[in-house]
Amino acid sequence: GEDVEQSLFLSVREGDSSVINCTYTDSSSTYLYWYKQEPGAGLQLLTYIFSNMDMKQDQRLTVLLNKKDKHLSLRIADTQTGDSAIYFCAESKRPNQAGTALIFGKGTTLSVSS
Amino acid sequence: DGGITQSPKYLFRKEGQNVTLSCEQNLNHDAMYWYRQDPGQGLRLIYYSQIVNDFQKGDIAEGYSVSREKKESFPLTVTSAQKNPTAFYLCASSSQWGGTGNFYEQYFGPGTRLTVT
Repeated sequence: GEDVEQSLFLSVREGDSSVINCTYTDSSSTYLYWYKQEPGAGLQLLTYIFSNMDMKQDQRLTVLLNKKDKHLSLRIADTQTGDSAIYFCAESKRPNQAGTALIFGKGTTLSVSS
Repeated sequence: DGGITQSPKYLFRKEGQNVTLSCEQNLNHDAMYWYRQDPGQGLRLIYYSQIVNDFQKGDIAEGYSVSREKKESFPLTVTSAQKNPTAFYLCASSSQWGGTGNFYEQYFGPGTRLTVT
C-alpha cells in the first residue's frame, strides 16, 4: 500500500528529547518531509531530508533516515511547551500514478508538560 | 505579506445545502491543493490543480467540485452529495508540481472548519 505510518501520540516533559517515528512505503521517494500543525492552524514545513542522506541537523531538530528499513525519525532536543503540536511525516508519490503529490501520515500529537 | 488566505475560518450549513470555501494565494504559485482533515485521519487530498484551467481529482473527490479560473484562486464547493462534510478543510499551494524528483514545499492556509447539521 501507500500508507505512511506514525504513532498517534507522544507525551514528554519539558527539557526532555522527543523522538517521533515514521515508516513510509515508496522506496522511490526522493524527499521526505516533516510538517508541524499548531492547534486550529494550517501546516508548516519544519524540515526535510533528501533520500541520499542519513541525517540532517537543524538547530534543535535532527532527522534520521534509514532508507533500507524505510524509517524516518524526527528528534527534538530540549523540548519546550511551544513544541506541542501535531507532527506529520510526508513522502512524495511516484509520478506515474494519479492522485496525491505528497502522502501524509496521520500525524503524531506531541504533548509537552512542564 | 505573501501567503494563503482561507475564508471564513468557521462555516455552518444545513444538510442539503451546497457551500463554497474560498482559497486565495498571492505567492504566484502554479499548483494548488485542497485537503480534508478529520481527527486521527491525517490529511486526505480532495482535488489539486497544476495550472490555471486544469484540475485533477485526488483520493476523495466524490461530493466535491473545484474551479481554477485564476492563478490566485482555487475555490472548493462541498455539495449535498458529500455524505459526511463536517471536517477541517485545508488549502495549500506550491511553486511547482513536484512529483518525486524535486524538492518543493507546500504552503498551507489557516483552514476552514465546516460544520453541517
